[in-house]
Amino acid sequence: KAGVTQTPRYLIKTRGQQVTLSCSPISGHRSVSWYQQTPGQGLQFLFEYFSETQRNKGNFPGRFSGRQFSNSRSEMNVSTLELGDSALYLCASSREGSSGNTIYFGEGSWLTVV
Amino acid sequence: AQRVTQPEKLLSVFKGAPVELKCNYSYSGSPELFWYVQYSRQRLQLLLRHISRESIKGFTADLNKGETSFHLKKPFAQEEDSAMYYCALTYSSNTGKLIFGQGTTLQVKP
Repeated sequence: KAGVTQTPRYLIKTRGQQVTLSCSPISGHRSVSWYQQTPGQGLQFLFEYFSETQRNKGNFPGRFSGRQFSNSRSEMNVSTLELGDSALYLCASSREGSSGNTIYFGEGSWLTVV
Repeated sequence: AQRVTQPEKLLSVFKGAPVELKCNYSYSGSPELFWYVQYSRQRLQLLLRHISRESIKGFTADLNKGETSFHLKKPFAQEEDSAMYYCALTYSSNTGKLIFGQGTTLQVKP
């Protein structure tokens, strides 16, 4: 079966702009989570969506937002980009987002803010 | 707050040597612990979880609640084990949220 798919894979944005990243989970998976990966902070949880509702949220400013559609596809948006937002953004999906479910990761979207 | 600590950024061993990647966690409840691995140019993938008590690619990990540790072990390292290893925990049965450690790069030299 197809894995978690993220688009775009690479993008460069200018400070102050906004960006939208897209994630298609594995078919049948209803939980989608987003993570930010940087050399300094490692992997940090952004938020999780389940059945179109945000179920968990990490400690990120309000500039980071997301949503999930009825087909479980998810998008995350970062507004007013800062240089420090340069990172690999990973999307992950699981069937129910509960213990016992394996969480599968996408290859990520590399965001560079200049 | 829940936290996962991997004290070593880099662990370098020779092929055939034993490997132990350390992981300690802080959480007062009963977490579920995982090891994830990221090989070069590949996506992050689950290696093993403590509730399964299984051995994957020769790796095992035992949850020690007294020492709040979940160290990853392999008796004989192989060159193909070279990768980035992340310890992670989830603290609720109803969440897809994972809390990751900083990761340890395992380098297996020939």
